[in-house]
Amino acid sequence: DQQVKQNSPSLSVQEGRISILNCDYTNSMFDYFLWYKKYPAEGPTFLISISSIKDKNEDGRFTVFLNKSAKHLSLHIVPSQPGDSAVYFCAASWGKLQFGAGTQVVVTP
Amino acid sequence: DTGVSQDPRHKITKRGQNVTFRCDPISEHNRLYWYRQTLGQGPEFLTYFQNEAQLEKSRLLSDRFSAERPKGSFSTLEIQRTEQGDSAMYLCASNGRENTGELFFGEGSRLTVL
Repeated sequence: DQQVKQNSPSLSVQEGRISILNCDYTNSMFDYFLWYKKYPAEGPTFLISISSIKDKNEDGRFTVFLNKSAKHLSLHIVPSQPGDSAVYFCAASWGKLQFGAGTQVVVTP
Repeated sequence: DTGVSQDPRHKITKRGQNVTFRCDPISEHNRLYWYRQTLGQGPEFLTYFQNEAQLEKSRLLSDRFSAERPKGSFSTLEIQRTEQGDSAMYLCASNGRENTGELFFGEGSRLTVL
């Protein structure tokens, strides 16, 4: 059963604008939520995380928001840069990481 | 480079053959994970070790799959009698902290079964 869902397989955004990636989950036992970034032919790399007791975490251009009542989290990237073009995975942890299917982000000049 | 290392990076084999992948985690990390990723999907959990103990296995890990971490350092994942459906990227990751979920992934071993 897919407990972490990313319903948008792709996102195209202009350089300098905001990228918003969304993720929904079903298991209320998850205690950490993470975003990973993946380039082709490389393994995923950790980007940012948030504990289930928080509702926002910010790191430079990246901010993650958590809405526990809606079982929803989002990643904001602002401003978007061409190097941000990659696949972004949402993941949730309860003993082990469970991943969404990913969103391909393309940042255009 | 002190990151997670996987070998081989790419393996092409014929259906029915056995294959083995190796993972060397970050040296001080006691937790080691195997994931599988197919096209258009996120990584799917297969199994994990704490030191040399295999603590959890996914239902995805059929009887043809076996993983070991004999001395609590490197790990191997063997697939016997490969099938075309086994074609995927096999990812290894390690974690040395209390489980915040932050894993350090290797670059993966891509398996192609002909």
